[in-house]
Amino acid sequence: GNSVTQMEGPVTLSEEAFLTINCTYTATGYPSLFWYVQYPGEGLQLLLKATKADDKGSNKGFEATYRKETTSFHLEKGSVQVSDSAVYFCALSGNTPLVFGKGTRLSVIA
Amino acid sequence: GAVVSQHPSRVICKSGTSVKIECRSLDFQATTMFWYRQFPKQSLMLMATSNEGSKATYEQGVEKDKFLINHASLTLSTLTVTSAHPEDSSFYICSASLLGHTDTQYFGPGTRLTVL
Repeated sequence: GNSVTQMEGPVTLSEEAFLTINCTYTATGYPSLFWYVQYPGEGLQLLLKATKADDKGSNKGFEATYRKETTSFHLEKGSVQVSDSAVYFCALSGNTPLVFGKGTRLSVIA
Repeated sequence: GAVVSQHPSRVICKSGTSVKIECRSLDFQATTMFWYRQFPKQSLMLMATSNEGSKATYEQGVEKDKFLINHASLTLSTLTVTSAHPEDSSFYICSASLLGHTDTQYFGPGTRLTVL
């Protein structure tokens, strides 16, 4: 079945550091890939998505590229801010409802 | 656009009582709504999928008689936790999607349920 594997956290970075959160997936067919962000005490917000191979999703300085050859969708940001502290979920959608990774908690310190 | 609300945001109840959580799509018609449960520091677990006007489809291991889902209109779905017990304490999140676009879900802010 479909599955998503994320790097385990927590990840702690200093402000303005470079961020990478790895995400790989297993799926049949051609799923859409997503990154969601959850701020403390809140629900999930869609951060970015990509629907086909080589697509790059981007939003708020975050980027992720749909790599079919490596079945990956790593999240990157060049310079993180304290306000980026949250839990980040990688997810995929194929012929089934969304399948989420376990989430990666990011803490950015000033 | 595509805003989903949940009510209440927090609820505390006594063991044995029932609790109803509402999920509303505020500015679009949601043909499909999803209910998730999230344990502390863990991922979301899909509980059920509901389509407007039909019975919900429950995931394996989710008791349909305990977690009653109603999706009576295109803007409202409810989850009722019946005869709640402390182990039902959790963060419940709903999401909604548009007809033909179930790959994109809009999430509500969640409801934290505490059963004493």
